[in-house]
Amino acid sequence: QVQLQESGPGLVKPSETLSLTCAVSGGSVSTDNYYWSWIRQPPGKGLEWIGYVFYTGRTNYSPSLKSRVTISVDTSRNQFSLRLNSVTAADTAVYYCVRETAYCVGDLCSYWFDPWGQGTLVTVSS
Amino acid sequence: QSALTQPASVSGSPGQSITISCTGTSSDVGGYNYVSWYQQHPGKAPKLMIYDVHIRPSGVSNRFSGSKSGNTASLTISGLQAEDEADYYCSSFTNSRTRVFGVGTKVTVL
Repeated sequence: QVQLQESGPGLVKPSETLSLTCAVSGGSVSTDNYYWSWIRQPPGKGLEWIGYVFYTGRTNYSPSLKSRVTISVDTSRNQFSLRLNSVTAADTAVYYCVRETAYCVGDLCSYWFDPWGQGTLVTVSS
Repeated sequence: QSALTQPASVSGSPGQSITISCTGTSSDVGGYNYVSWYQQHPGKAPKLMIYDVHIRPSGVSNRFSGSKSGNTASLTISGLQAEDEADYYCSSFTNSRTRVFGVGTKVTVL
């Protein structure tokens, strides 16, 4: 089955750029009906949707993060990435890469997040 | 987009049933049947429990069920077991085609 694995620095300095990559195994990112997503969770807090990329490169971002976030896909490497610039301590969180299924037949659709990567903690600190 | 409203905590004794609510607006929960629920144990990634309001994925216990009325979705756990103790999050599609999560509910088995 499909597995996702996050990788990237665990420590980022304030004002710098957070960069993470998600390697996808057991399936292709170049598949209709899947949005490749990032979701984060600050320590002790709830989940926050960051956004997604489709294999064509089409993206959709959270309005609250849109000015700072870029999600891209590399179909040749079967992976997708997150960049979040101008980070502050408030961006400290566990970052999850997740596959969202978006399956529509006519006007009837289904949406769900599964599977999830194990998550990676990124701390913003000098 | 504001987070969906969930009770901070819900508790029950083994064998009992509990219900977790997830309240949004007509722009998210009330406008679409695209509500999903996730279970998260400490230190673990969330696990899909329900999608499209009431559909249970293969492998998820039939003790978990979902419903929706107006702007509020609900997750019911029947026959509560110790292993059900976890945090639960709802999520919804929105009219701006973004996604929003609930604030989360801690379920305690007494």
